[in-house]
Amino acid sequence: EVHLVESGGGLVQPGGSLRLSCAASGFNFRSFAMNWVRQAPGKGPEWISAISAGGDNTYYADSVKGRFTISRDNSRNTLYLQMTNLRVDDAAIYSCAKPLDPYYYGSGFDPWGQGTLVTVSS
Amino acid sequence: DMQVTQSPSTLSASVGDRVAITCRGSQSFSGWLAWYQHKPGRAPNLLIYKASTLASGVPSRFSGSRSGTDFTLTISSLQPDDFGTYYCQQYETFGQGTKVEIK
Repeated sequence: EVHLVESGGGLVQPGGSLRLSCAASGFNFRSFAMNWVRQAPGKGPEWISAISAGGDNTYYADSVKGRFTISRDNSRNTLYLQMTNLRVDDAAIYSCAKPLDPYYYGSGFDPWGQGTLVTVSS
Repeated sequence: DMQVTQSPSTLSASVGDRVAITCRGSQSFSGWLAWYQHKPGRAPNLLIYKASTLASGVPSRFSGSRSGTDFTLTISSLQPDDFGTYYCQQYETFGQGTKVEIK
């Protein structure tokens, strides 16, 4: 069974940084692109970033481009999201998600992790 | 930028009713349209992918269809466990969500 477990969330001041991790198991992690998705309170999901299976190609939503960096360590089956210059409107539950198609990150997400909460407040 | 317009925003129906949720994409479709059910405190659950393919383990009362750039999720006979918020996703863009309430 596929499992995705996020960690690293917490309370941070505006302008601060956090690094999120997503530990993957139950599938051939190194063969799949991966995604980060967030959901702010009372709002729908927002895709924010993706990375190709080998890590060579990365993709970002305009809302986080230049502030967030996605990466992966295939030897540790772990996905990362480095977040810098955090803003109040970045507060959300951040989840990693496995795409249905290993080569296309936007091919539908199954499964999603439970997520880790990021709170941005002074 | 791609936009996906989902309607209605809320839906209240009785057990046994047939309900439909619609998403309209802003760009031509080349394959990937998914539907999810989301309940509070849980990760979203994939229901339908590629517009009409039922995901593994999903009850057959859920179905998906397409007409041009319009996509529809249909629940043929609403069950008490079907409450929650439903989202469509075209490529990396999500719809605004439809909250389904059981009367």
